[in-house]
Amino acid sequence: NAGVMQNPRHLVRRRGQEARLRCSPMKGHSHVYWYRQLPEEGLKFMVYLQKENIIDESGMPKERFSAEFPKEGPSILRIQQVVRGDSAAYFCASSPRTGTDTEAFFGQGTRLTVV
Amino acid sequence: SQKIEQNSEALNIQEGKTATLTCNYTNYSPAYLQWYRQDPGRGPVFLLLIRENEKEKRKERLKVTFDTTLKQSLFHITASQPADSATYLCARFSGGYNKLIFGAGTRLAVHP
Repeated sequence: NAGVMQNPRHLVRRRGQEARLRCSPMKGHSHVYWYRQLPEEGLKFMVYLQKENIIDESGMPKERFSAEFPKEGPSILRIQQVVRGDSAAYFCASSPRTGTDTEAFFGQGTRLTVV
Repeated sequence: SQKIEQNSEALNIQEGKTATLTCNYTNYSPAYLQWYRQDPGRGPVFLLLIRENEKEKRKERLKVTFDTTLKQSLFHITASQPADSATYLCARFSGGYNKLIFGAGTRLAVHP
């Protein structure tokens, strides 16, 4: 059973371009979470999605950021018109259910560098 | 606001000693706390989950305690090894189970 797959592992974008980060959850998992991590900082929650639905996007910046988890295919985190401050590691996690006793399985992250 | 706090200072210990990391929470009483390990450049990996009615939980050389009076969880690694060097994160789900909230993590360095 493959783990959570994120791609690309590294992404370089020029200011003003768009970044698309993909996350394929573990088989059988319908809950996906996206986090951002700046160097030497903790994981900051961005958004929680179930298949075809955004459940909680309270951690997402109001502009330029969007996320989706379609019925078929991976979850996508999209950043439009990237700025240098968007440079960070973006992690995706999945779980088979919701609930406080549920562990999350993380991917290896996408490291976005904006030049 | 509900907070989960970890000691931001790195913990340096000698190989073979027991490492103890602290996670404190304020303004709420989580039913569960989770502990994760994160190595540089990699995603966090789940280690242990402890319920509020469990005073202690063990897994090999790892032990987690949960003190609801002190609002604190302690994470112990006995007989520590250099391979245990990593950042350790505690986490809990927010109300409504929509967010897994992490502490800032404590970096552990085990020296030979």
